[in-house]
Amino acid sequence: TQLLEQSPQFLSIQEGENLTVYCNSSSVFSSLQWYRQEPGEGPVLLVTVVTGGEVKKLKRLTFQFGDARKDSSLHITAAQPGDTGLYLCAGVYNFNKFYFGSGTKLNVKP
Amino acid sequence: NAGVTQTPKFQVLKTGQSMTLQCAQDMNHNSMYWYRQDPGMGLRLIYYSASEGTTDKGEVPNGYNVSRLNKREFSLRLESAAPSQTSVYFCASRIQGRSEAFFGQGTRLTVV
Repeated sequence: TQLLEQSPQFLSIQEGENLTVYCNSSSVFSSLQWYRQEPGEGPVLLVTVVTGGEVKKLKRLTFQFGDARKDSSLHITAAQPGDTGLYLCAGVYNFNKFYFGSGTKLNVKP
Repeated sequence: NAGVTQTPKFQVLKTGQSMTLQCAQDMNHNSMYWYRQDPGMGLRLIYYSASEGTTDKGEVPNGYNVSRLNKREFSLRLESAAPSQTSVYFCASRIQGRSEAFFGQGTRLTVV
């Protein structure tokens, strides 16, 4: 089992649809990050959320940190084929321990 | 502008063989990490080093050892490889606190 559980594990949608990915834990994190990973590459940072209840927007992507700092969500509006990839949440614990979620594999069909 | 460099990129081992995966970063980061990535499992933390001279276990440390040789380098050693260690291994580094983690390109290891 992993400290951070993501759902859904797989998501296949049509271009233009909206989607939400969830990241949940029983632990409180000092901050939470979302990464995107392409095949054959390491993950690349999308956003960091720090404050409970914080909402950040990155173009069509909206990230929210739960009030208790134990969970987070990523919402994509009007998904495009270029959004296809593996989305990973990562929690920073005690400032040095850095744990990743199980990942959500997104496929956006044209 | 190398960032995080991992060697080798690919490796095939026989069960029982040993090997060391190398990782070096040129960003003057304090913390370094080793993860393994298996299908459907995201990344699982094997070991991490908060600073030069310190190492700590992560989620799945069994079967691995690490060395923080200096601030730049953090190596991962498999003393007696097992098929269950077949995976893609990623090294990462970050400053500390809330900072972004930077990843290497990964090492694809197959143990037969």
